[in-house]
Amino acid sequence: GIQVEQSPPDLILQEGANSTLRCNFSDSVNNLQWFHQNPWGQLINLFYIPSGTKQNGRLSATTVATERYSLLYISSSQTTDSGVYFCAAGRLYGGSQGNLIFGKGTKLSVKP
Amino acid sequence: GAVVSQHPSRVICKSGTSVKIECRSLDFQATTMFWYRQFPKQSLMLMATSNEGSKATYEQGVEKDKFLINHASLTLSTLTVTSAHPEDSSFYICSAVIRSRGTEAFFGQGTRLTVV
Repeated sequence: GIQVEQSPPDLILQEGANSTLRCNFSDSVNNLQWFHQNPWGQLINLFYIPSGTKQNGRLSATTVATERYSLLYISSSQTTDSGVYFCAAGRLYGGSQGNLIFGKGTKLSVKP
Repeated sequence: GAVVSQHPSRVICKSGTSVKIECRSLDFQATTMFWYRQFPKQSLMLMATSNEGSKATYEQGVEKDKFLINHASLTLSTLTVTSAHPEDSSFYICSAVIRSRGTEAFFGQGTRLTVV
């Protein structure tokens, strides 16, 4: 099955700094999503990005499906960006029903 | 946008009792829903795939008799943790895909189960 690896596992930033989180996946997928898990456990859907580039405010993401990786960029980080960021990948075709395989996450801590 | 609603958000139960968690698709019909479990400081792991009108498909290592899944309608899937034990304490979250709209998965708010 699909394997998803995220790096780095932990990241400490000073407020205002920029960062890049990486997600590698082992097989072809037609779904790639980035989530931020808040302290209550809720998954906040940041991007649905099986390919291409998207931007939303200070966040942007790029997925290069042919090379099997995705990047999440956080610019001008704020303390409220702290938390765990998950990348998840999946397929919805053939015998696959669209469930997501999650990476282990990147724990981001932004210091004031 | 599409919304998946999960209830309850938090539940505490005694060992040996059963707990039911509901997952509803509010503005679309979901023929397939997925149940995930997350232990503290770990990632989310797929437990089972719930298909409307048929038996659920469980991932390896997940006890189907302990985690009963019922997908009786196109908008509701339920997960019942039977004879709960403290080691079942975890965060459970459901998701659904709207096939007609692509491959994006939508997630419920999650349920934090504590068994005492």
